[in-house]
Amino acid sequence: DTGVSQDPRHKITKRGQNVTFRCDPISEHNRLYWYRQTLGQGPEFLTYFQNEAQLEKSRLLSDRFSAERPKGSFSTLEIQRTEQGDSAMYLCASSLDQWRTSGMDEQFFGPGTRLTVL
Amino acid sequence: DAKTTQPPSMDCAEGRAANLPCNHSTISGNEYVYWYRQIHSQGPQYIIHGLKNNETNEMASLIITEDRKSSTLILPHATLRDTAVYYCIGGATNKLIFGTGTLLAVQP
Repeated sequence: DTGVSQDPRHKITKRGQNVTFRCDPISEHNRLYWYRQTLGQGPEFLTYFQNEAQLEKSRLLSDRFSAERPKGSFSTLEIQRTEQGDSAMYLCASSLDQWRTSGMDEQFFGPGTRLTVL
Repeated sequence: DAKTTQPPSMDCAEGRAANLPCNHSTISGNEYVYWYRQIHSQGPQYIIHGLKNNETNEMASLIITEDRKSSTLILPHATLRDTAVYYCIGGATNKLIFGTGTLLAVQP
C-alpha cells in the first residue's frame, strides 16, 4: 500500500501526558498537512509543510502543539500536557504541489489517529 | 476562502443519481470549488474540482452555475458504498476549509 499512513491509529492517554503521532506521506509528495476533526465536524486545518519547512500554522495550534518534518519525508505531531479538549481525530494528508500547474492540489489523506484524553 | 452552505443530509436510492447541492455565493473569481467525501472512519477523499466549466471524471460530475454562486455534485449511479459525508469547499489556496458537509445515505 503506497498511501498515507499514520501511527498509531488509536491513542488513549491521561490528561497532562505528552503524546506523539507519526505520519508517513506518499513518497514523492513534497507537501504534508495536519488536520484535526472532532465528532460531527469537518476537518480543521492545523499546519502544513513544504518539504521540511513549516509554512503555515493555524491559530488552533497552541504552544502545546508542535509539528516537525525533519528530512522532508515523515512528520510528527506532538501534543504536550494533553487536555480533554484535545480528544479528536488527527488527520495527515500529503500532496504533490500541483497548484501552479493545475490550480489545485489534490490532497491524499491517511486514516487518522484517534486521540482520547481521559 | 469562500463560505459554503450544504444541506446536512440527503437520501438517495441505490442505482439512482445523487445530486448534492452547494451554495458558495461569496466565492471570488480565482477560487475553485472542490468536493471531497469522507466515508465513515476513513480520511477524506478527493472527488472533483472546477473553476467555471462543468467537469466530469470517473467518479462524478460537477455542474457550476454561470454566476458561480452554486454548484451541484452528481453521482450518476449511486451505490451503497457512496454513503458518506460530502464536503464542498471553495478556496484559492492549498489549505482546505471544511464545513460540516452533507451526509448522503444511499438506501437499498
